[in-house]
Amino acid sequence: QKEVEQNSGPLSVPEGAIASLNCTYSDRGSQSFFWYRQYSGKSPELIMSIYSNGDKEDGRFTAQLNKASQYVSLLIRDSQPSDSATYLCAVSLSSGSARQLTFGSGTQLTVLP
Amino acid sequence: DTGVSQDPRHKITKRGQNVTFRCDPISEHNRLYWYRQTLGQGPEFLTYFQNEAQLEKSRLLSDRFSAERPKGSFSTLEIQRTEQGDSAMYLCASSSRGSNQPQHFGDGTRLSIL
Repeated sequence: QKEVEQNSGPLSVPEGAIASLNCTYSDRGSQSFFWYRQYSGKSPELIMSIYSNGDKEDGRFTAQLNKASQYVSLLIRDSQPSDSATYLCAVSLSSGSARQLTFGSGTQLTVLP
Repeated sequence: DTGVSQDPRHKITKRGQNVTFRCDPISEHNRLYWYRQTLGQGPEFLTYFQNEAQLEKSRLLSDRFSAERPKGSFSTLEIQRTEQGDSAMYLCASSSRGSNQPQHFGDGTRLSIL
């Protein structure tokens, strides 16, 4: 079992719809959770961080964390073609260094005009 | 722009050659990380510095790889006797002091081994 798992996609949604991206992790003691966006050929860009159970909203983005279910998700409202990218879930695992991030393999999102 | 800076952006070299990459972190960040990313995968952790001290190294970091951060500012990652499997994007990230601080990535160095 991978430590951080994401559906690889591709996920396609029409412009204006809600895109839902999911991530599960294996270490129950994980403390910090991040979503990065990565355009093709570019480096990961931090878009959300979440540390406690519940929802965290930032503009069109909402991160949701459920530590009991070991599940973190990202919702993108009013999706735009410019949101088309690979979204990486990253977790700071308690079993490793408190500093290193473990990434999922990413979900490729395409927003169709 | 005061983001993480990496140099070079691209490196093409022949198998067996040595290569060195440089990373300049965000100026107020004391933590610096190196990751490697191959096509279709998320970044994989290689090593971590807090100031000039290298505090963590992944099992992925074979003895052909060495990283330094001599003055606690910029860092270098050297790969000796490069192999085909070393072809990847090498990413540097930095973060500030404190727990749970997010890591910010540079644009990466894409290494291609001929």
